[in-house]
Amino acid sequence: NAGVMQNPRHLVRRRGQEARLRCSPMKGHSHVYWYRQLPEEGLKFMVYLQKENIIDESGMPKERFSAEFPKEGPSILRIQQVVRGDSAAYFCASSPLDEQFFGPGTRLTVL
Amino acid sequence: DQQVKQNSPSLSVQEGRISILNCDYTNSMFDYFLWYKKYPAEGPTFLISISSIKDKNEDGRFTVFLNKSAKHLSLHIVPSQPGDSAVYFCAASKGSNYKLTFGKGTLLTVNP
Repeated sequence: NAGVMQNPRHLVRRRGQEARLRCSPMKGHSHVYWYRQLPEEGLKFMVYLQKENIIDESGMPKERFSAEFPKEGPSILRIQQVVRGDSAAYFCASSPLDEQFFGPGTRLTVL
Repeated sequence: DQQVKQNSPSLSVQEGRISILNCDYTNSMFDYFLWYKKYPAEGPTFLISISSIKDKNEDGRFTVFLNKSAKHLSLHIVPSQPGDSAVYFCAASKGSNYKLTFGKGTLLTVNP
């Protein structure tokens, strides 16, 4: 059983561009969480999704950020018009019910 | 407002000795606590968890202790091994299937 997959592992964008981060949960997992880790910080919750539903987006910035988890395909975290402050590691976790299993992360660098 | 605090940014121990990592929390609604281990350029790996109805949970070399009155938990690793060198994150949630609130992590170095 493959683990949580995230791609790309590294993403470089210029200010104003869009970033799309993908997360494929473990087989059989229907819960997906996105977290962001800024340098020297712990992981901060962004959004919790189940298939086709956003359950909790209390950690998402109000503008430019969106997330989806469609019926088919990976979960997508989308950041529009990126700014330098968006540079961080973005981790996805999936869960069957309780424990969360994390992917390797996507490191976003905004130039 | 940091609801989960790991006050020691780093800890260094000798191989074979005990490593004790500490974590404090402020939100009394938290009832599920976890420890994750993280290597550079990798995602966090689940180590051990504890529910608030317990005060101790053990899994091999890893033991987590929970003191609810003090809002404090600790992770004991014994004996420590060089491969344990990593950043350890404490995390908490309300319920076992909910968003996690993480501390900033403690870098553990186990010296041979």
